[in-house]
Amino acid sequence: KQEVTQIPAALSVPEGENLVLNCSFTDSAIYNLQWFRQDPGKGLTSLLLIQSSQREQTSGRLNASLDKSSGRSTLYIAASQPGDSATYLCAVAEAAGNKLTFGGGTRVLVKP
Amino acid sequence: DTAVSQTPKYLVTQMGNDKSIKCEQNLGHDTMYWYKQDSKKFLKIMFSYNNKELIINETVPNRFSPKSPDKAHLNLHINSLELGDSAVYFCASSQDQGTGSNGYTFGSGTRLTVV
Repeated sequence: KQEVTQIPAALSVPEGENLVLNCSFTDSAIYNLQWFRQDPGKGLTSLLLIQSSQREQTSGRLNASLDKSSGRSTLYIAASQPGDSATYLCAVAEAAGNKLTFGGGTRVLVKP
Repeated sequence: DTAVSQTPKYLVTQMGNDKSIKCEQNLGHDTMYWYKQDSKKFLKIMFSYNNKELIINETVPNRFSPKSPDKAHLNLHINSLELGDSAVYFCASSQDQGTGSNGYTFGSGTRLTVV
């Protein structure tokens, strides 16, 4: 059974620092891995999607890497801003199909 | 706007009542899902439908009955609501059962409170 873990559970940094969010998964048989952002009381916004054949994806200040063999992904957010404060969720689309399995999320606070 | 839209956004109801949550996607996706986010914010799959066919029923009580009239709609009906059903319910959709290049798209959620 696939298990997804995100460490740390919470992170507080001063504005301008780079953020590093970690995600690990137990079963490397995945189609893709997706990072989401969730603001309090809101839905999920997709940030980056990495296919299993890819090593990384970039969008603006965000960069996500994937090491499928070791079951790890890292989300980097450069030069953090207070507006980056949110919960970041990692999820894997299993090769067995038809669902995303989520980690517990990392709650990020960027202090001005 | 292309999106996954679900209604209502908030639902407060008494124990024992029956309620429905509606979901529609206009992305042309072939697979739709219901996820539940509990009080600890953990998201877990409940149901998955591909082209109106049930694919996943993840040990959800049979008080929960999804219905997919067509591949653009997936509604969730809940009978005899219990306090423990209080949660945020998210609808999502994807192409090719989640293997497509755009991944999953989520709705904004329905916050259900059972009193």
